[in-house]
Amino acid sequence: AQSVTQLDSQVPVFEEAPVELRCNYSSSVSVYLFWYVQYPNQGLQLLLKYLSGSTLVESINGFEAEFNKSQTSFHLRKPSVHISDTAEYFCAVSRNTGFQKLVFGTGTRLLVSP
Amino acid sequence: DGGITQSPKYLFRKEGQNVTLSCEQNLNHDAMYWYRQDPGQGLRLIYYSQIVNDFQKGDIAEGYSVSREKKESFPLTVTSAQKNPTAFYLCASSIGAQGQAGYTFGSGTRLTVV
Repeated sequence: AQSVTQLDSQVPVFEEAPVELRCNYSSSVSVYLFWYVQYPNQGLQLLLKYLSGSTLVESINGFEAEFNKSQTSFHLRKPSVHISDTAEYFCAVSRNTGFQKLVFGTGTRLLVSP
Repeated sequence: DGGITQSPKYLFRKEGQNVTLSCEQNLNHDAMYWYRQDPGQGLRLIYYSQIVNDFQKGDIAEGYSVSREKKESFPLTVTSAQKNPTAFYLCASSIGAQGQAGYTFGSGTRLTVV
């Protein structure tokens, strides 16, 4: 079975500062990795994903995440955050064969202040 | 536009009542899922369905029931046996067993017991 750990429940940061949201996973098989974002009272939106190939993946709004197999991590980074990035971010993992249920972490709330 | 529609957005239930949450998708996705979201606990899988007329229990199925009579629809019934039903419920879908595209989520139903 797969599991995901998001160590930080809340990350406060000032606008235009860099941020890193940490995600570690556990799995005995090869995996796909995802980051989702959730704005208040809304569903989750896919931010970016790692399936194979380049270990650095990017989103259209400036976020990036790097798959590190040796450290079983998939941390999310942004070099300069905006107020509008305030949201909850979920890391998720699924195995890459068979029926691929997503397993989610407990989420990290990113709070961007001016 | 294709997507997932959850209704109602807000739902109030009296003690001892069964309530049904609607989830409809027009994405032609084979697989559908129900998650429960509680503060600090992330998303927990209630039930999932890979194909029509078939569904499996997730991690917290007790007190819930589902049906999958049509590909487009996957309603969730919260029964009186669910002792703590107040939560945010999210429906999602994916293209069959191939999870590379990730999940598409609805905008959620917030259920409150009064």
